[in-house]
Amino acid sequence: DQQVKQNSPSLSVQEGRISILNCDYTNSMFDYFLWYKKYPAEGPTFLISISSIKDKNEDGRFTVFLNKSAKHLSLHIVPSQPGDSAVYFCAAAEDSGAGSYQLTFGKGTKLSVIP
Amino acid sequence: NAGVTQTPKFQVLKTGQSMTLQCAQDMNHEYMSWYRQDPGMGLRLIHYSVGAGITDQGEVPNGYNVSRSTTEDFPLRLLSAAPSQTSVYFCASSSKGLAGPPSTDTQYFGPGTRLTVL
Repeated sequence: DQQVKQNSPSLSVQEGRISILNCDYTNSMFDYFLWYKKYPAEGPTFLISISSIKDKNEDGRFTVFLNKSAKHLSLHIVPSQPGDSAVYFCAAAEDSGAGSYQLTFGKGTKLSVIP
Repeated sequence: NAGVTQTPKFQVLKTGQSMTLQCAQDMNHEYMSWYRQDPGMGLRLIHYSVGAGITDQGEVPNGYNVSRSTTEDFPLRLLSAAPSQTSVYFCASSSKGLAGPPSTDTQYFGPGTRLTVL
């Protein structure tokens, strides 16, 4: 059973507009949520994270919103740029004991920003 | 800094062959892990290590072995390759092993090894 779901495999957005990537989860024990960005032939790179005790975290053009009651989070990119075109993975972290966390990843959403 | 390096970048194996995927990091990170990514799937944890001499299984450990004799290296061994192991493999490291809130530390991923088993 998939605990982290990204239901949109792809998303196309015009340059300068807002990109909204969505992620749903089922495990209420997740403590942190992270977004990773992945370009072809490269490893994922960390983008932004949010603790389960917060509902918003912002870093420049990137904002992550968390709705715990709906078990839903979203990543907003404003304004979108062609360089943002990549696959975005949502990940959730749960304390697996002794303060060590493991990540569970969604399937990813491929974002295409059209110039 | 080289960060996290993986070799080889590409590999083709025949069913039943064995091989080792290499991973090294120069950031003195304690925590290292191996993931596999299949088409249309997220990354799934194979094995991880919280320090030299300590390893543990992740979500999909069957068919793989690991060891951690040094802080820098974390090789992944395929004992008898099967077509189901065709995938892209990513190694990652972090300083706290996510032993602490992930917002204060992140995993650094290598560029991946694309493995095909015929």
